[in-house]
Amino acid sequence: DSGVTQTPKHLITATGQRVTLRCSPRSGDLSVYWYQQSLDQGLQFLIQYYNGEERAKGNILERFSAQQFPDLHSELNLSSLELGDSALYFCASSVAMGLAGGLWPTDTQYFGPGTRLTVL
Amino acid sequence: AQTVTQSQPEMSVQEAETVTLSCTYDTSESDYYLFWYKQPPSRQMILVIRQEAYKQQNATENRFSVNFQKAAKSFSLKISDSQLGDAAMYFCAYRSANYGGSQGNLIFGKGTKLSVKP
Repeated sequence: DSGVTQTPKHLITATGQRVTLRCSPRSGDLSVYWYQQSLDQGLQFLIQYYNGEERAKGNILERFSAQQFPDLHSELNLSSLELGDSALYFCASSVAMGLAGGLWPTDTQYFGPGTRLTVL
Repeated sequence: AQTVTQSQPEMSVQEAETVTLSCTYDTSESDYYLFWYKQPPSRQMILVIRQEAYKQQNATENRFSVNFQKAAKSFSLKISDSQLGDAAMYFCAYRSANYGGSQGNLIFGKGTKLSVKP
């Protein structure tokens, strides 16, 4: 058990719908990362939050958005769903410590169990 | 941009034998981290081992060890005394040690599926 939790484990929905995936990082971790794992694209980075602020964006579609709340949990919102959005969505967390005004990812990323999204 | 390549889509090993999974990467950075993650059928991503690029000594975790060749940009994983529970997808991943922009995220290879024969 990595200490990162994700809900729900499975989600089945229809095209055009909107869903929200939830992630709770390990206790003390400030950074949350979202990844998508699909058969054709492999594991791809979507977006990163640090202590409530967006830090980096990867290959995230405009239909997708995320946020990190004051209690550090994060939500990934997927809207106008398409068949191709079916995938396993992972959340990972790590600690980033401030150093002389900068931020350094000093720890390994630990992954949650993932949410399997099926769009029909 | 950094890339990670795993050239072996599938590998097979006999139980109790040793197997080596290959990984190469491309980067212009001098400081970075490399990881091997294991993904069993449960789909959980499990950290196997990590290596800091500034360390010359190869990382070791029990039966798992790496051969890190910085000049060659090679990072292979050796599994000794293979066990049935080692059967899984193995992903090699890169992360910049310089923070800024998207450099905190992991960049993954396509993975190697390891089968262990009893």
